[in-house]
Amino acid sequence: QVQLVQSGVEVKKPGASVKVSCKASGYTFSSYGIDWVRQAPGQGLEWVGWISPNSGNTRQAPNFQGRVTMTTDTVTNTVYMELGNLRYDDTAVYYCARDGVGQWPTGKFDCWGQGTLVTVAS
Amino acid sequence: QSVLTQPPSASGTPGQRVTISCSGSSSNIGSNIVNWYQQFPGTAPKLLIYSTNQRPSGVPGRFSGSKSGTSASLAISGLQSEDEADYYCVTWDNSLNGFLVFGAGTKLTVL
Repeated sequence: QVQLVQSGVEVKKPGASVKVSCKASGYTFSSYGIDWVRQAPGQGLEWVGWISPNSGNTRQAPNFQGRVTMTTDTVTNTVYMELGNLRYDDTAVYYCARDGVGQWPTGKFDCWGQGTLVTVAS
Repeated sequence: QSVLTQPPSASGTPGQRVTISCSGSSSNIGSNIVNWYQQFPGTAPKLLIYSTNQRPSGVPGRFSGSKSGTSASLAISGLQSEDEADYYCVTWDNSLNGFLVFGAGTKLTVL
């Protein structure tokens, strides 16, 4: 079955970087885009960005441009999201989610990872 | 502050029909499809409606989506207690370089 499994809890200091992984299985990895969505405690969903494992093309939300890097490893079917210059308000659960088959993020996320809690604290 | 406006809360009694609105502009809902998600506390969201009015397999027919102009709606008929959850709309916004944007979410309470 289609599955996305994310890496574990992270605790980082302000100004540091965090790298979260998302390992896909159960489908042809290169065929579907992967998005990252975060949710701060008690808050709503916020789109971070998207990557195409096929082309390596990425799109980022305006709030994250210059601070987020998304990469893929087609050998291990893993997507990575690195967020730099962390601030206290980056504390959130970060989800990866499978998008559609096109070369553009669609917002149709039919499978989600379990989420990774990233806490920024001094 | 999201560019998509949802009511923070909605409520209904079992069996009722409730609608949740998602209001945007010509650069987002007015020119793109809308997807809807259901989220229970402590769990990942679940795709409820895609391409504005399509249901994934396994989603009950009680859930339906629609769009008119720059607003979209999620309707739940025959409301059940297990429908109590948070609901989010999401669409593409053509401004800047383009980006996906979520509504702030609506907490649905079944009375």
